[in-house]
Amino acid sequence: AQTVTQSQPEMSVQEAETVTLSCTYDTSESDYYLFWYKQPPSRQMILVIRQEAYKQQNATENRFSVNFQKAAKSFSLKISDSQLGDAAMYFCAYRWSNTGKLIFGQGTTLQVKP
Amino acid sequence: DAMVIQNPRYQVTQFGKPVTLSCSQTLNHNVMYWYQQKSSQAPKLLFHYYDKDFNNEADTPDNFQSRRPNTSFCFLDIRSPGLGDAAMYLCATSRPQGNRPNIQYFGAGTRLSVL
Repeated sequence: AQTVTQSQPEMSVQEAETVTLSCTYDTSESDYYLFWYKQPPSRQMILVIRQEAYKQQNATENRFSVNFQKAAKSFSLKISDSQLGDAAMYFCAYRWSNTGKLIFGQGTTLQVKP
Repeated sequence: DAMVIQNPRYQVTQFGKPVTLSCSQTLNHNVMYWYQQKSSQAPKLLFHYYDKDFNNEADTPDNFQSRRPNTSFCFLDIRSPGLGDAAMYLCATSRPQGNRPNIQYFGAGTRLSVL
């Protein structure tokens, strides 16, 4: 069965600094998708970034980028120039290629210090 | 503008008293999902509709039911809520597009308390 593991329950970063959130997953499939979702306190979950497993190039969205290591089954999120609005719970998620089902990791709560 | 709307945002019910949570969407997506998220935990998929086809997760308790009267609306019914059902319930929608990763769009959630 597919599993997603986020080993950092909490992280903190100074405003304007860079932080990396870790995620590992386990699967026997070769074709799948990976996502990072952000869930601010009392607000809806929104997509931060996504990665197709067949693409070797790491996805980038403005200040957010991933380090996708397919062989190691690792999918970390790097947030550059951290802002106070980045404070939230971040979930790593895995999606089967042929279904819409998402498997979420346990989440990492990110605190941004002014 | 909100695209996936969940009502109410907060719901209090009594132990054993049936409760219904609602979700509506303006995206015209054909897939709708219901997740249960307990405090500081990952969302857990309960079931989803692909158009009118209902897909229940194997470990979803029978106490949880769902209805989708049309494309825009989906309901989560909890027939006899127990204390362990207190959680945030998230609704999400998506539209599969061939092999492209269909993004799920989430509502803000309904926080259910059971007294």
